Amino acid sequence: AQTVTQSQPEMSVQEAETVTLSCTYDTSESDYYLFWYKQPPSRQMILVIRQEAYKQQNATENRFSVNFQKAAKSFSLKISDSQLGDAAMYFCAYQSYGQNFVFGPGTRLSVLP
Amino acid sequence: AAGVIQSPRHLIKEKRETATLKCYPIPRHDTVYWYQQGPGQDPQFLISFYEKMQSDKGSIPDRFSAQQFSDYHSELNMSSLELGDSALYFCASSLLGVQTLTLAFFGQGTRLTVV
Repeated sequence: AQTVTQSQPEMSVQEAETVTLSCTYDTSESDYYLFWYKQPPSRQMILVIRQEAYKQQNATENRFSVNFQKAAKSFSLKISDSQLGDAAMYFCAYQSYGQNFVFGPGTRLSVLP
Repeated sequence: AAGVIQSPRHLIKEKRETATLKCYPIPRHDTVYWYQQGPGQDPQFLISFYEKMQSDKGSIPDRFSAQQFSDYHSELNMSSLELGDSALYFCASSLLGVQTLTLAFFGQGTRLTVV
């Protein structure tokens, strides 16, 4: 069974600085998707960034980028120029082509003014 | 370690039927959340419970109801099912402290197909 691990329950970053959230996963499949979701207090799940495993190029979305290391099964999220609105829970998630979807336990990010 | 258990894992129902999804949180967790994820969509928050009381309500249709029982497990009841209800339904549990943002552990989901 696939598993997703986020080893940092809490992280903090100074406004305008850069922070990296870690995620590792375990799977025997070669094709899959990886996601980072942001969850503000409203409980919504907002897609931050998505990566297809067959793509070697790291996904980037404005201030958000990932470092995808397929061999190491690592998928970290880098947030540049952190803003107060980035404070939230961040969930790393894995989805196989067979639609099996697995979430990590989350990392709580605080942004300090 | 025990994780969040959802049952059933797969469910096929016909239109206008009723479905009940169950969620068993991690032991000692007092909060349960329900999410609905349609094909190719982000998970949508439906409802949450803290200490057996509804704590937050999201985009849950009136045809759906949910409750949390004395043993903290939760059930999502869905009536008059529509084709658009076909989705993956996630349950997550957490131990709610004084902070509003808490680690949540997700179950593997129940895939509901309405035909």
